[in-house]
Amino acid sequence: DAKTTQPNSMESNEEEPVHLPCNHSTISGTDYIHWYRQLPSQGPEYVIHGLTSNVNNRMASLAIAEDRKSSTLILHRATLRDAAVYYCILTVYFGNEKLTFGTGTRLTIIP
Amino acid sequence: EAQVTQNPRYLITVTGKKLTVTCSQNMNHEYMSWYRQDPGLGLRQIYYSMNVEATDKGDVPEGYKVSRKEKRNFPLILESPSPNQTSLYFCASSLRGAGSYGYTFGSGTRLTVV
Repeated sequence: DAKTTQPNSMESNEEEPVHLPCNHSTISGTDYIHWYRQLPSQGPEYVIHGLTSNVNNRMASLAIAEDRKSSTLILHRATLRDAAVYYCILTVYFGNEKLTFGTGTRLTIIP
Repeated sequence: EAQVTQNPRYLITVTGKKLTVTCSQNMNHEYMSWYRQDPGLGLRQIYYSMNVEATDKGDVPEGYKVSRKEKRNFPLILESPSPNQTSLYFCASSLRGAGSYGYTFGSGTRLTVV
């Protein structure tokens, strides 16, 4: 499986944008880029996913580099409820249906 | 509300006593999966199912069984639990695979085997 690299931790001020980076230099053409987050004492929560183009939804935006070797999850206006561990995951279209979770980025929001 | 429901949320049992953790989804999803989460090891897939009567092993299947007799249900069975199966378990489902669709996770089952 292609691997991802994320910073162990990040801090951001409340009500400011947050950019969470992810490197995936060995990504293949059929790998989707998924982001999940896990709040304390909860199950992982789907955030967003994309293949080649940038994606927006109500939770966040996903910016994918042109060569697809990196991506950035953007939280436009962080709140205290966004404090969580964020996981960047590569998945194969109709391949082994497995999400391979790494250690993720622990995001701390400063009031 | 679209959701994945796991039961029980908490369970303490003794070594060797068979148990079942239930998982049910109401979204007509084809794919379902079980993960365990342990400190320092992250989330690891135990088993997954592509549809009714179609299951396959994940990364850590030893000591677990699953079945998928109905589309909505995917129970996890521990025939003879051991202390190393003490963990936090999550069930997840997806419309048609993790590639082009996201997974919805349950709230988790914290299992302690003594």
